Amino acid sequence: SAVISQKPSRDICQRGTSLTIQCQVDSQVTMMFWYRQQPGQSLTLIATANQGSEATYESGFVIDKFPISRPNLTFSTLTVSNMSPEDSSIYLCSVGPSQFYEQYFGPGTRLTVT
Amino acid sequence: AQTVTQSQPEMSVQEAETVTLSCTYDTSESDYYLFWYKQPPSRQMILVIRQEAYKQQNATENRFSVNFQKAAKSFSLKISDSQLGDAAMYFCAFQGGSNYKLTFGKGTLLTVNP
Repeated sequence: SAVISQKPSRDICQRGTSLTIQCQVDSQVTMMFWYRQQPGQSLTLIATANQGSEATYESGFVIDKFPISRPNLTFSTLTVSNMSPEDSSIYLCSVGPSQFYEQYFGPGTRLTVT
Repeated sequence: AQTVTQSQPEMSVQEAETVTLSCTYDTSESDYYLFWYKQPPSRQMILVIRQEAYKQQNATENRFSVNFQKAAKSFSLKISDSQLGDAAMYFCAFQGGSNYKLTFGKGTLLTVNP
């Protein structure tokens, strides 16, 4: 399985500011995904980051709020823009699909907005 | 759209005993994959086991096994000889279709009592 790192691991941000989360993989991968996990909740897919093309966003998530970059096959960023306390969540990136279609996850970024 | 339902918000088991976590899903896809992921307090999502829908044989990984009932759309996880390190949130996940995204259930919090 791939080794995935995320930066930062946690952050506390002021309302109205933006935070960019980085996801780095130790090998080239076809697809990268960004998920949000609100406190005590399950994971919800934000978007699929496609190398060389725009990200594909899920219903309820928009590019202006969550811009994503995917400059190469090992790296992606997710920006949480104009943050409000409702954006306080764990943000996880994952990579896949592997040979058997599973995804492997990074350690997550815990974001708190005050 | 696919849905994944985990009807047990919390479960507990005595160390060395066996516990079964339930998951049902709904889909119109004929070809799909099912997964169980574990999320300990460290928040790292760890793949526990996967099942290909086209395989009739239930998947097994050491102390973890599944009971896959395709007609009933049921995918339960059995943990044998439970250990303290098994304590975590367990998520059932579905992957089907060409977009490779995972749809997660709400999770089951497993407590292991010494």
